Amino acid sequence: GESVGLHLPTLSVQEGDNSIINCAYSNSASDYFIWYKQESGKGPQFIIDIRSNMDKRQGQRVTVLLNKTVKHLSLQIAATQPGDSAVYFCAERGDSSYKLIFGSGTRLLVRP
Amino acid sequence: GAGVSQSPSNKVTEKGKDVELRCDPISGHTALYWYRQSLGQGLEFLIYFQGNSAPDKSGLPSDRFSAERTGGSVSTLTIQRTQQEDSAVYLCASRKAGGTDTQYFGPGTRLTVL
Repeated sequence: GESVGLHLPTLSVQEGDNSIINCAYSNSASDYFIWYKQESGKGPQFIIDIRSNMDKRQGQRVTVLLNKTVKHLSLQIAATQPGDSAVYFCAERGDSSYKLIFGSGTRLLVRP
Repeated sequence: GAGVSQSPSNKVTEKGKDVELRCDPISGHTALYWYRQSLGQGLEFLIYFQGNSAPDKSGLPSDRFSAERTGGSVSTLTIQRTQQEDSAVYLCASRKAGGTDTQYFGPGTRLTVL
């Protein structure tokens, strides 16, 4: 079946460094991918998305990279700040036109 | 503009009681989703609405769970005869159908069953 997973459950980075959060997906037919940030006690917040016809997309301090050959997705956060501390989820849209399949999440801890 | 809102933010109930959780989606969003998130876990899909109909209820864990949506807007998730394993955060998301795939989430309702 479909699955979306993450390589590291917890990532600790120094403030100011760049962060890279990785995600593997299993459905080669997935055509849309999205990253969410969830702070404690809040709902997931949209960060950035990418369609399968793209390899890279940039936002403000964030970049998503998609490698369809190895079915790998990553989120890069530049100059990580304390406010970036949260759990990050990747999700893919696979065979369904409306349903997202979510990974289990990676916790990002930013050290001052 | 206003985002997705959910109420109550917290609900504590006794085992065996029924609870209703409410979701107000973003105005104009025709698609609505309910998810469940257990402590430290990912998001578990429960149900999907397109308008007032629910073409996908496959994630509802048992017949104690039901949901409805009226007027293409507000949705209510009802859990009957609550059990301790129902304790979780229940999240609602909405999406503007046609041209966008992004789901926007509400803050969730934290349900605790004693």
